[in-house]
Amino acid sequence: EPEVTQTPSHQVTQMGQEVILRCVPISNHLYFYWYRQILGQKVEFLVSFYNNEISEKSEIFDDQFSVERPDGSNFTLKIRSTKLEDSAMYFCASSESKTGANQPQHFGDGTRLSIL
Amino acid sequence: AQSVTQPDIHITVSEGASLELRCNYSYGATPYLFWYVQSPGQGLQLLLKYFSGDTLVQGIKGFEAEFKRSQSSFNLRKPSVHWSDAAEYFCAVGARSNDYKLSFGAGTTVTVRA
Repeated sequence: EPEVTQTPSHQVTQMGQEVILRCVPISNHLYFYWYRQILGQKVEFLVSFYNNEISEKSEIFDDQFSVERPDGSNFTLKIRSTKLEDSAMYFCASSESKTGANQPQHFGDGTRLSIL
Repeated sequence: AQSVTQPDIHITVSEGASLELRCNYSYGATPYLFWYVQSPGQGLQLLLKYFSGDTLVQGIKGFEAEFKRSQSSFNLRKPSVHWSDAAEYFCAVGARSNDYKLSFGAGTTVTVRA
């Protein structure tokens, strides 16, 4: 069964450094998402992306965050200047369609980001 | 905005016993509802989904869930749990008006004792 893959599985970064989290969505999917889960807290929506632009973003997704689909397969989340509170598990998800639905989001295994 | 409440933080169940995990949602229209499972060190795996139609939905691994509009609930059930069902379970709601972004509950951790 096709999978969403995320790399790396664990990223350790110094505070203030830039970090890029990578995701390869399922190949025929058109909608892409990033979520994060701070330890012990809920999974929270960050951003959705469709047709090479952001569809919706949460309050968490401030100017320090950006997303990009640099080629036909990768979907990246960049944090420009990391803060301690960015430490979390970051999940990428993709879905085949939006309208008409019946297409759930498929999640990757996540990248655990640790900011020192 | 939609939201999800999972009242039980932790449930312990004996192997072979039945399991029910509660989920209550808040959304003004017909929601899309999901249950995901997360095993330690793993990602979120979709167990089942509800979009419309039959309110009792079957999922993978022997799980089922029932949508009850009158109670704003979408409880997950399994008749007989296996030790491999020990994991964290998340209920999520998606809203058509919000680009189908998912709002998750806080999760319920299930421990299975022999």
